[in-house]
Amino acid sequence: GNSVTQMEGPVTLSEEAFLTINCTYTATGYPSLFWYVQYPGEGLQLLLKATKADDKGSNKGFEATYRKETTSFHLEKGSVQVSDSAVYFCARGGSGGGADGLTFGKGTHLIIQP
Amino acid sequence: DGGITQSPKYLFRKEGQNVTLSCEQNLNHDAMYWYRQDPGQGLRLIYYSQIVNDFQKGDIAEGYSVSREKKESFPLTVTSAQKNPTAFYLCASRFTVNEKLFFGSGTQLSVL
Repeated sequence: GNSVTQMEGPVTLSEEAFLTINCTYTATGYPSLFWYVQYPGEGLQLLLKATKADDKGSNKGFEATYRKETTSFHLEKGSVQVSDSAVYFCARGGSGGGADGLTFGKGTHLIIQP
Repeated sequence: DGGITQSPKYLFRKEGQNVTLSCEQNLNHDAMYWYRQDPGQGLRLIYYSQIVNDFQKGDIAEGYSVSREKKESFPLTVTSAQKNPTAFYLCASRFTVNEKLFFGSGTQLSVL
């Protein structure tokens, strides 16, 4: 079936460390891919997105590249800050349009220690 | 400012009671969605609506009901048939399919 799998957390890093959160997806066709971030007690905010193969989404120092050959969309940041502590969700749009919204991974809780 | 407003922020339900969660958007979006979030389980789709006066069941619709009488509003009722209603509920909307979702700030529902 169509699904999104991301690495389980919590992921704990020190400030200024390099971050990778893995995300893979299954789908027919070529869906749009998204990363959302959620801070405690709040809704989800779009962090970045990519709409076709080899596209790179980027925002606030975070990057993710749409890899069709490995069906992956890993999130990376070169130097994390304490303020990056949050839950990160990878999501996939519908290949044929997907009127039923996005399919989300289970989320990865990121903890950055000073 | 345009956006999605969910209310209340916190809600408590008594045994056998129906409660309604509000979701209003002024983004002129056609499609609206309700998700349920449980710890460690990500987001699960309850109901969605692509147009006024029409809505479809998502993956976990049992024990919930919705209405879409106005474009701006998509209220969710948690009925007494939902035996495990404690969760964080998120409303979202968007213009067209396959585009990003805009989320409200959520409602935490707990059982007394």
